[in-house]
Amino acid sequence: DAGVTQSPTHLIKTRGQQVTLRCSPKSGHDTVSWYQQALGQGPQFIFQYYEEEERQRGNFPDRFSGHQFPNYSSELNVNALLLGDSALYLCASMDLLDQGELFFGEGSRLTVL
Amino acid sequence: GNSVTQMEGPVTLSEEAFLTINCTYTATGYPSLFWYVQYPGEGLQLLLKATKADDKGSNKGFEATYRKETTSFHLEKGSVQVSDSAVYFCALEPYGNNRLAFGKGNQVVVIP
Repeated sequence: DAGVTQSPTHLIKTRGQQVTLRCSPKSGHDTVSWYQQALGQGPQFIFQYYEEEERQRGNFPDRFSGHQFPNYSSELNVNALLLGDSALYLCASMDLLDQGELFFGEGSRLTVL
Repeated sequence: GNSVTQMEGPVTLSEEAFLTINCTYTATGYPSLFWYVQYPGEGLQLLLKATKADDKGSNKGFEATYRKETTSFHLEKGSVQVSDSAVYFCALEPYGNNRLAFGKGNQVVVIP
């Protein structure tokens, strides 16, 4: 049983560009959350998707947007990239009704030059 | 607001030594508390959790007790191994909202 998978694992962008990160949740999970982990910091909650809708959002600007597809996979989009967006982006999934453990992927490391 | 504070700096210790990592929290209501571990090149993994005051979470020889009176959830292990080298994150989840607030993490290095 595959866990949470994310792609790409690493990518480099320049300021002002746009990026899309992808996440496939663990089998049986219907809820996907995204976190940003800057170097030397703990993960910060960006937003959560359930039933293809954004259910909760952390303190991130509108440049950060997302989407959830009918198969529960999700995308994180970041527009107008800033140097400060350089971070490890983590996807986590869970079964919302089961209220079970949150499973994390290995992350996508974004470097903005 | 909801926040977690972990002790500053990396922790370096010898194999079989006793490990303590301090974690204190600020939260409204009754959050659930967690310790996550991040091994090199891997994603975050849940190590243990506690959902109410005085609960003790335990796993792989690690323990932490939910202390409401001191708003703490310190992680302990009696005898560490080299394989315990990792980054450890304390986190809280305000009741029922399924979003975690993490501390900054502590790098633990165990020397043979």
